Amino acid sequence: AQSVTQPDIHITVSEGASLELRCNYSYGATPYLFWYVQSPGQGLQLLLKYFSGDTLVQGIKGFEAEFKRSQSSFNLRKPSVHWSDAAEYFCAVVTSNYGGATNKLIFGTGTLLAVQP
Amino acid sequence: DAGVTQSPTHLIKTRGQQVTLRCSPKSGHDTVSWYQQALGQGPQFIFQYYEEEERQRGNFPDRFSGHQFPNYSSELNVNALWLGDSALYLCASSSGTFRGGEQYFGPGTRLTVT
Repeated sequence: AQSVTQPDIHITVSEGASLELRCNYSYGATPYLFWYVQSPGQGLQLLLKYFSGDTLVQGIKGFEAEFKRSQSSFNLRKPSVHWSDAAEYFCAVVTSNYGGATNKLIFGTGTLLAVQP
Repeated sequence: DAGVTQSPTHLIKTRGQQVTLRCSPKSGHDTVSWYQQALGQGPQFIFQYYEEEERQRGNFPDRFSGHQFPNYSSELNVNALWLGDSALYLCASSSGTFRGGEQYFGPGTRLTVT
């Protein structure tokens, strides 16, 4: 069965420092991978997605992620974190379809990012 | 252009009661998915509606049911509420069910069961 693992439950970084959030997936075929961000009291917002092509994808708010098939990883990065980036980040994969199209998302447990001034 | 809207924002119910949550998709979207997000967890897929039919279902009991209306809005019904049903319920809409298509999430309904 498909699954997503986010090993870091909570990360604290200083404002201006670089950030990398880890994500590992379990999936037999080429996965469709997503990163979402959730701020308090708000729904999930898509940061970026990957399903083919260049393995380094650019997203909104200065985020990028790199797909590494050999490591089954899709880590999220940002070169310089801003205080407004404090939020919870979720990695997700779309499952395989069985007889029809599907965009059912399977999420990891999330990583809560705190930003120190 | 309004995004995905959900009502109510918060809800408190007692064990054994029934609840109905509502979702209006983003303009132009015809597919609605529901997710349950327990505290400290990632969202878990409940089911998806497309063309007024339940197209896919996650690992949730029959106490969870839904409906999609001709205007693509949707309802999630939960019967015989348990304490464990306390969670944030998220609605997501998309245009069709393409695997790579973006899903837009609403702000959620916070359900507390006492």
